[in-house]
Amino acid sequence: EAGVAQSPRYKIIEKRQSVAFWCNPISGHATLYWYQQILGQGPKLLIQFQNNGVVDDSQLPKDRFSAERLKGVDSTLKIQPAKLEDSAVYLCASSRTSGLMNTGELFFGEGSRLTVL
Amino acid sequence: RKEVEQDPGPFNVPEGATVAFNCTYSNSASQSFFWYRQDCRKEPKLLMSVYSSGNEDGRFTAQLNRASQYISLLIRDSKLSDSATYLCVVNKGSSASKIIFGSGTRLSIRP
Repeated sequence: EAGVAQSPRYKIIEKRQSVAFWCNPISGHATLYWYQQILGQGPKLLIQFQNNGVVDDSQLPKDRFSAERLKGVDSTLKIQPAKLEDSAVYLCASSRTSGLMNTGELFFGEGSRLTVL
Repeated sequence: RKEVEQDPGPFNVPEGATVAFNCTYSNSASQSFFWYRQDCRKEPKLLMSVYSSGNEDGRFTAQLNRASQYISLLIRDSKLSDSATYLCVVNKGSSASKIIFGSGTRLSIRP
């Protein structure tokens, strides 16, 4: 079974530029998550999709971050304009069910490492 | 106070030793608990769920103490390959936004 695919693996941009990350979840997983992990911290949820609908985006900085999952499969996360504090690893995860109520397992991609100069 | 607190470590122990980590959580309504493992520059992966009665998986034992609001992870007979960051995860509800990751405890096993 193929895992969660993310691209690009690395991205370096200057502040005020824009960047987009792509994620393809495990086949059949209805729920997709985007997390931000700053060095030395645990992952922080940005947005959760159930199929192509947004379940929770309460922690997404909507003035500069946007995400979509138009066909209920792959997803993109965009940052525009980027700030220095956006430097982090952006992790995409998927699961068969919403939240951790059943198996408790989120499957993460390898992440996209963003450096903002 | 953070919602999920972990000692960041690093814990540096010799191969074969037993090591234990604790994690405290602030919300008494938290419903489910997990330990994830994250290798350096890799993604987190589920290590084990934590059940009220405690559970064991090989050399790993997880315990939950609801009264004191902490969970623990015990690793026996530690191996070099156990070197990683261990993330405590607490789920306060059915929405993923209620899933809180701790900052992790770094473990380094030396030969």
